[in-house]
Amino acid sequence: NAGVTQTPKFQVLKTGQSMTLQCAQDMNHEYMSWYRQDPGMGLRLIHYSVGAGITDQGEVPNGYNVSRSTTEDFPLRLLSAAPSQTSVYFCASSKTPNYGYTFGSGTRLTVV
Amino acid sequence: KQEVTQIPAALSVPEGENLVLNCSFTDSAIYNLQWFRQDPGKGLTSLLLIQSSQREQTSGRLNASLDKSSGRSTLYIAASQPGDSATYLCAVPNAGNNRKLIWGLGTSLAVNP
Repeated sequence: NAGVTQTPKFQVLKTGQSMTLQCAQDMNHEYMSWYRQDPGMGLRLIHYSVGAGITDQGEVPNGYNVSRSTTEDFPLRLLSAAPSQTSVYFCASSKTPNYGYTFGSGTRLTVV
Repeated sequence: KQEVTQIPAALSVPEGENLVLNCSFTDSAIYNLQWFRQDPGKGLTSLLLIQSSQREQTSGRLNASLDKSSGRSTLYIAASQPGDSATYLCAVPNAGNNRKLIWGLGTSLAVNP
């Protein structure tokens, strides 16, 4: 029972590079979301999706793109990495918000 | 605007002690409240989910209570062990958009042998 799987676990990027953080869940959850965690600021919502083909912005969406072509996958794209995007990124999924969320193990991203 | 506060920010206790972690929220119109554990450099593990209609939830040595009227939840850990050392986070869905979780900054717990 894999739950929410995030890859890669660690990544170092140079400023201006692009990359995609992968997130996959095998629980047939409709709700998926991306958070970033920064010291002293807690977790902040980047983007979320309520089903395949439906995405919306969270509180810190700038510099990130998402798409949801399948129920299982919700990749997060960094278009042109900046040092301010150095963070730990978490993907989460839920059947509905009333059922609570399951989180992945995170991706530690450093932009130099 | 919902705000979540966790006090204390850090706690150090000897092994075997019973302890209480606190989570306060400003808007009582919550759907539920979820407690998570985060080990250093690791992901978030869900511990307990309390629905708005519930007063408490229990899992093993953990008991979480919810008092919506006072805007408080407590996580009680009985007979603490060194393996309980971690950061404990609470989160509530935003009242206006329940797809968004509002987080506290966590309580960093150290249980000393």
